[in-house]
Amino acid sequence: DAKTTQPNSMESNEEEPVHLPCNHSTISGTDYIHWYRQLPSQGPEYVIHGLTSNVNNRMASLAIAEDRKSSTLILHRATLRDAAVYYCIRTNNAGNMLTFGGGTRLMVKP
Amino acid sequence: DADVTQTPRNRITKTGKRIMLECSQTKGHDRMYWYRQDPGLGLRLIYYSFDVKDINKGEISDGYSVSRQAQAKFSLSLESAIPNQTALYFCATRGTESYGYTFGSGTRLTVV
Repeated sequence: DAKTTQPNSMESNEEEPVHLPCNHSTISGTDYIHWYRQLPSQGPEYVIHGLTSNVNNRMASLAIAEDRKSSTLILHRATLRDAAVYYCIRTNNAGNMLTFGGGTRLMVKP
Repeated sequence: DADVTQTPRNRITKTGKRIMLECSQTKGHDRMYWYRQDPGLGLRLIYYSFDVKDINKGEISDGYSVSRQAQAKFSLSLESAIPNQTALYFCATRGTESYGYTFGSGTRLTVV
């Protein structure tokens, strides 16, 4: 099964860190882990991706478990504009996204 | 201008009609993709293309066809639209040297 598993929804307070988990227990050695987010009425937006090592960019950090069966997207300080559906996706070594799951709807409270 | 432009943004069509959704990109990417999204669900891959001469089926290609007219243009056709093809359709691009995808804003298609 090429799908990933994420909680349906999470809540956070503004200005606090958010940890969004993803389970990908059947991931193969050459699959990358990508995270995208989707705001209402918009297309998905790239957030971050990684293979084995933890990754940081201006938007977020990605922590990948040593066995690669799970990962966590970290938003260091949630803002109201971070409220969106966050998707964790596996890609094969050609970069093709195998499938999107239902994602996690993040709600940010002021 | 948007990096990935989809037209039309919204379309209502009748069952049995042929309809084409268009996608153009200014990113210079070789790889282009078509996805559909159903309410409350994630995206599913319909077709993808790695260059002008390359077309590949995704997981739900039945009832759809595509044409890669140029590096920058990738169109999706519904030969005979049916109501269960009512969905939000997204085009995406990806460069060969990077793994991040850039998505368009989507086309909302309703088949009545």
